[in-house]
Amino acid sequence: NAGVTQTPKFRVLKTGQSMTLLCAQDMNHEYMYWYRQDPGMGLRLIHYSVGEGTTAKGEVPDGYNVSRLKKQNFLLGLESAAPSQTSVYFCASSYMRGGEQYFGPGTRLTVT
Amino acid sequence: AQSVTQLDSQVPVFEEAPVELRCNYSSSVSVYLFWYVQYPNQGLQLLLKYLSGSTLVKGINGFEAEFNKSQTSFHLRKPSVHISDTAEYFCAVVGGGADGLTFGKGTHLIIQP
Repeated sequence: NAGVTQTPKFRVLKTGQSMTLLCAQDMNHEYMYWYRQDPGMGLRLIHYSVGEGTTAKGEVPDGYNVSRLKKQNFLLGLESAAPSQTSVYFCASSYMRGGEQYFGPGTRLTVT
Repeated sequence: AQSVTQLDSQVPVFEEAPVELRCNYSSSVSVYLFWYVQYPNQGLQLLLKYLSGSTLVKGINGFEAEFNKSQTSFHLRKPSVHISDTAEYFCAVVGGGADGLTFGKGTHLIIQP
């Protein structure tokens, strides 16, 4: 039982490049989330999903897209990376709305 | 919209002393409240949660928190801290139709020997 895993752990992009972050959970959770963490800002919700095939915008969705084609996976895409997207990205999942969220180890992304 | 205020960005305390990390939230509806801990270069781990019932909630590693609805607070306490408690602590809230957590900006707990 791995819980929530994230791939990759680190990535450096040049401005304008694209990439996809993968989140996988093996707990059969319906809800999945993507957050970004910036110094002094806490974590902010980017996008989330309440079930397979669904996605919704969070607090800071601009510049990101997501897909939930399979229940266990939640992908976060950056189509054209910008330096402002330099951050640590965390994925989380929960079994119900309002339930405890289980977090992955994070992906540290640097955009130069 | 909900918001969470963690009143101290940094709290230094001596080892074996008690500590309180303060958290206030703003919401006009019922909410669920959480405290998470983040050790250096790691993800977030749940310390404790308040969903309903008793307002005093006990969590892991000897931490506890008290939900105070009238003061919209959810302060975290530990009677005696250890050097291993050095970490970033986040208060978070969910409710009122929102699906994701709203986090405070975090409090860095620094344990001094």
